[in-house]
Amino acid sequence: QVTLRESGPALVKPTQTLTLTCTFSGFSLTTSGMSVTWIRQPPGKALEWLTRIDWDDFKYYSTSLKTRLTISKDTSKNRVVLTMTNMDPVDTATYYCARMRLDDFRIDSWGQGTLVTISS
Amino acid sequence: QSALTQPDSVSASPGQSITISCTGTSTNIGTYDLVSWYQQHPGKAPKLIISEVSKRPSGVSSRFSGSKSGNTASLTIFGLRTEDEADYYCCSNAGGDTFELIFGGGTKLTVL
Repeated sequence: QVTLRESGPALVKPTQTLTLTCTFSGFSLTTSGMSVTWIRQPPGKALEWLTRIDWDDFKYYSTSLKTRLTISKDTSKNRVVLTMTNMDPVDTATYYCARMRLDDFRIDSWGQGTLVTISS
Repeated sequence: QSALTQPDSVSASPGQSITISCTGTSTNIGTYDLVSWYQQHPGKAPKLIISEVSKRPSGVSSRFSGSKSGNTASLTIFGLRTEDEADYYCCSNAGGDTFELIFGGGTKLTVL
């Protein structure tokens, strides 16, 4: 059974850096074709893709956010870490980590999401 | 990358069928069969219901069907049930020289 769980602060001040951790089980990020991706969803709004890290350590970022995002993985601990700098109230959203399959780009398992509020 | 275009909302009665469109461009949906669809109930994480335009994952009802024509993908739900009331999102690779994913703006399905 594949599971993913996001963890991190619920409240972040403007200009601070957000660090979120995705802890997963049921698959390995060393397996060919696997990827972990981050997606966010502001309250009442649509999904927005942020970034992904692949089994071979290739990393891809949203063009509009790439200067603020960093993704990394610790395969020994089955963790993926997302950092996002210079947070702003418009970044308030539920942040999801999910497993993505690179053969067809399907996102087949999602974490429950974590709501991050940006406010002073 | 611009988002894919979906209708904001659709509604129908139980037992009826609906189709949700997802319009992209020739660089994404028009070129690649990498369209997926996700169902999201309020307060829940999205759930994959269609991948590669028309493939249903194991456990997803056969009432859900996907297709594509040109730059537009479509999700059809047959025999609507009250539990189908949810938000639906399409997703595709952005294409071009990027490796990004793009989502549609989401469609709220109301089953009256």
